[in-house]
Amino acid sequence: EDKVVQSPLSLVVHEGDTVTLNCSYEVTNFRSLLWYKQEKKAPTFLFMLTSSGIEKKSGRLSSILDKKELFSILNITATQTGDSAIYLCAVHSSGTYKYIFGTGTRLKVLA
Amino acid sequence: NAGVTQTPKFRILKIGQSMTLQCTQDMNHNYMYWYRQDPGMGLKLIYYSVGAGITDKGEVPNGYNVSRSTTEDFPLRLELAAPSQTSVYFCASSSQGGLYNEQFFGPGTRLTVL
Repeated sequence: EDKVVQSPLSLVVHEGDTVTLNCSYEVTNFRSLLWYKQEKKAPTFLFMLTSSGIEKKSGRLSSILDKKELFSILNITATQTGDSAIYLCAVHSSGTYKYIFGTGTRLKVLA
Repeated sequence: NAGVTQTPKFRILKIGQSMTLQCTQDMNHNYMYWYRQDPGMGLKLIYYSVGAGITDKGEVPNGYNVSRSTTEDFPLRLELAAPSQTSVYFCASSSQGGLYNEQFFGPGTRLTVL
């Protein structure tokens, strides 16, 4: 059965800290791995990763994929209170056109 | 370009009532999805569609029905509402073609069944 597991489930840090969120997967016909940020409403897209070892970067956020070990990490440096959200990882399975979501990591950044 | 729109934003139903959650996208995407998100949980796929006239079950289809008569619309029907269907429902779409296959999400519908 396809599955995506995120860790930790929740995390509380102080502003300025660096955090690393983990996403491991077991999915047949892997096509891509996507990271989303969800605040109070709908998830918003952060990154899509398809190739191992190539870092995607956007400001203080970066992500990398390891297709051999079947995991991805999302790094956030110099965290701010605005980074408080649920971070969702999803894997796109090309065989079934489905996106399999993890349960998310709830990040809270304290001022 | 509105993206993915959903109506209503909120709804309270009594047990046994029925309703339709509307979803429309204006990006000409072939692929559309319905998810539910329970408190503190990730997204669970209810149904998806790969094009007009084609739908398929996801992880949690029981108690729901869908139809896809046009590319733009993908309504979700609850026939006999139950408290277990209390959740936030998200509709999403994607192009699935080429290099970019991110999903675009609607704002969600918060449904409470009492």
